Amino acid sequence: KNQVEQSPQSLIILEGKNCTLQCNYTVSPFSNLRWYKQDTGRGPVSLTIMTFSENTKSNGRYTATLDADTKQSSLHITASQLSDSASYICVVSARDGTDKLIFGTGTRLQVFP
Amino acid sequence: NAGVMQNPRHLVRRRGQEARLRCSPMKGHSHVYWYRQLPEEGLKFMVYLQKENIIDESGMPKERFSAEFPKEGPSILRIQQVVRGDSAAYFCASSPPNGGERTEAFFGQGTRLTVV
Repeated sequence: KNQVEQSPQSLIILEGKNCTLQCNYTVSPFSNLRWYKQDTGRGPVSLTIMTFSENTKSNGRYTATLDADTKQSSLHITASQLSDSASYICVVSARDGTDKLIFGTGTRLQVFP
Repeated sequence: NAGVMQNPRHLVRRRGQEARLRCSPMKGHSHVYWYRQLPEEGLKFMVYLQKENIIDESGMPKERFSAEFPKEGPSILRIQQVVRGDSAAYFCASSPPNGGERTEAFFGQGTRLTVV
């Protein structure tokens, strides 16, 4: 069964600190993996998208890694800011002709001053 | 190029009424996805449509829910005889056809349905 699991479920850090969010997936055959940021009450916004051959992708203070062999991904946030408080969602697409996106349940990050 | 537009943003319905949620995809996008998000939970896939076709509706309840994406006009998610448990945020995403591995999906701001 295609699944995407994320950890931790929630995380609290102080402003300026770094953090790493984890994503494990069992989606096969794999097409791509994306990380989205969802602010409260808003739609998800794409941060990064990685295909099978890519193992790291950066977008400002966000760096995503992908290990296609172990089917794991991480999202590292550097020098966190208050505006980073949001849910971070790992999404995997299967190469099965449907392009259906399979969502993890997200990690809720809270950054305090 | 406007983003994915969903309307209404907020919808209040009494139990037993019908709810119609609209999604206009980005220009040039022919793939539409609908997701439901219950409070404090992640997004759950409901249905994936291409123009005039339902590709995958495995996440949609068999009764009371239906979706369409006509040749002209927005995609519609229709919920008949709403119940309190239907209260949720409903998000729509769109993507272009034949985009390949790096195809981006863009989300609308969602419709928040409240059943009273």
